Amino acid sequence: NSKVIQTPRYLVKGQGQKAKMRCIPEKGHPVVFWYQQNKNNEFKFLINFQNQEVLQQIDMTEKRFSAECPSNSPCSLEIQSSEAGDSALYLCASSLQFSNERLFFGHGTKLSVL
Amino acid sequence: GDSVTQTEGQVALSEEDFLTIHCNYSASGYPALFWYVQYPGEGPQFLFRASRDKEKGSSRGFEATYDKGTTSFHLRKASVQESDSAVYYCALAHSNNRIFFGDGTQLVVKP
Repeated sequence: NSKVIQTPRYLVKGQGQKAKMRCIPEKGHPVVFWYQQNKNNEFKFLINFQNQEVLQQIDMTEKRFSAECPSNSPCSLEIQSSEAGDSALYLCASSLQFSNERLFFGHGTKLSVL
Repeated sequence: GDSVTQTEGQVALSEEDFLTIHCNYSASGYPALFWYVQYPGEGPQFLFRASRDKEKGSSRGFEATYDKGTTSFHLRKASVQESDSAVYYCALAHSNNRIFFGDGTQLVVKP
């Protein structure tokens, strides 16, 4: 059973609406990743954090997404203005350290943008 | 840049067949290599990893050997079961870098 908790499991939004999802990493894991998985099972890296600090992110994330991992609160990923192409499974993963370490994934949030 | 290639998009087998899923990577040095498995409706689960040439990783009857010479980390299982049906991902990680996933291989095992 996954110990990385993602909510909600399903999210339905209209185009232009905000879409926000949350992730509680496994206890004691300071590193958090967000990935987007499309219907062809392809992974796209979005952003990662170590503790509360953003380590890496792609251009799309910087421009259209808002993400944070505050201390003592769930991490969150928010799409400011949803587009049809954002429909995907959003996966949060955590790990003990940043490099070469296995990832523990949540079940994901399935976003549908109508 | 770093990348992972899985040549089979889908593999269809019968129970007790031998499984091979091919994974080749492109990266400098010695990246860590992983296999993950994803069942429907769930996130990927870690199977095992290897980080040195000739190192073998294994779990639940699956195994793969890190081969620096052929830049490969092929997944094998001697006898598959219907419950092994899932999508399998090969992945690569370098120090201070993000993890790169292959496009996945859908395994379908018929009873």
